[in-house]
Amino acid sequence: AQTVTQSQPEMSVQEAETVTLSCTYDTSESDYYLFWYKQPPSRQMILVIRQEAYKQQNATENRFSVNFQKAAKSFSLKISDSQLGDAAMYFCAYRSLGRNTPLVFGKGTRLSVIA
Amino acid sequence: NAGVTQTPKFRVLKTGQSMTLLCAQDMNHEYMYWYRQDPGMGLRLIHYSVGEGTTAKGEVPDGYNVSRLKKQNFLLGLESAAPSQTSVYFCASSYSAGENSPLHFGNGTRLTVT
Repeated sequence: AQTVTQSQPEMSVQEAETVTLSCTYDTSESDYYLFWYKQPPSRQMILVIRQEAYKQQNATENRFSVNFQKAAKSFSLKISDSQLGDAAMYFCAYRSLGRNTPLVFGKGTRLSVIA
Repeated sequence: NAGVTQTPKFRVLKTGQSMTLLCAQDMNHEYMYWYRQDPGMGLRLIHYSVGEGTTAKGEVPDGYNVSRLKKQNFLLGLESAAPSQTSVYFCASSYSAGENSPLHFGNGTRLTVT
């Protein structure tokens, strides 16, 4: 079974600075999807960014980008120009290509943004 | 544009009581999921469904049952609640299992079992 590990339970960053959240995963598959979700205090789960394993180019969404290292099974999230609204729990998630394959989540990283 | 709606938003149960959480989606999604979120544990899959009339066990299914009688609804039942089931429960849905079909989440149900 696939596992997702987020080794940083908590992180903090100064407003306008850059922060990187770590995620590693364990799988024997060659094709899969990876995601980062954000959960603000409102509890809502918001998709931040996603990556297809067969694409070598790192995904980017505005201030959010990933560093996908397939051989190392690493999928880190970089947040540039951090804003107060970025404060939230961030979850890394893995999904196989198979038809009946739910999302597997890491335990999350709580990000604080310091004004 | 409701998306995924969970009811109720909050509930307090006594040990041994039963209840049903309702999840409804209006996006014609095939896949539906129930997760629980506990501090330091992330989201863990309880049960899921890949279509009307089908259900499957996830990572932590014990103590829960589900039904998917209608495509738009996915019910999560607790027959005899236990304090260990105190958690925040999330329902999610997706059109398919593909990358271009991300999960849409409800806003969660906070359940406390005393």
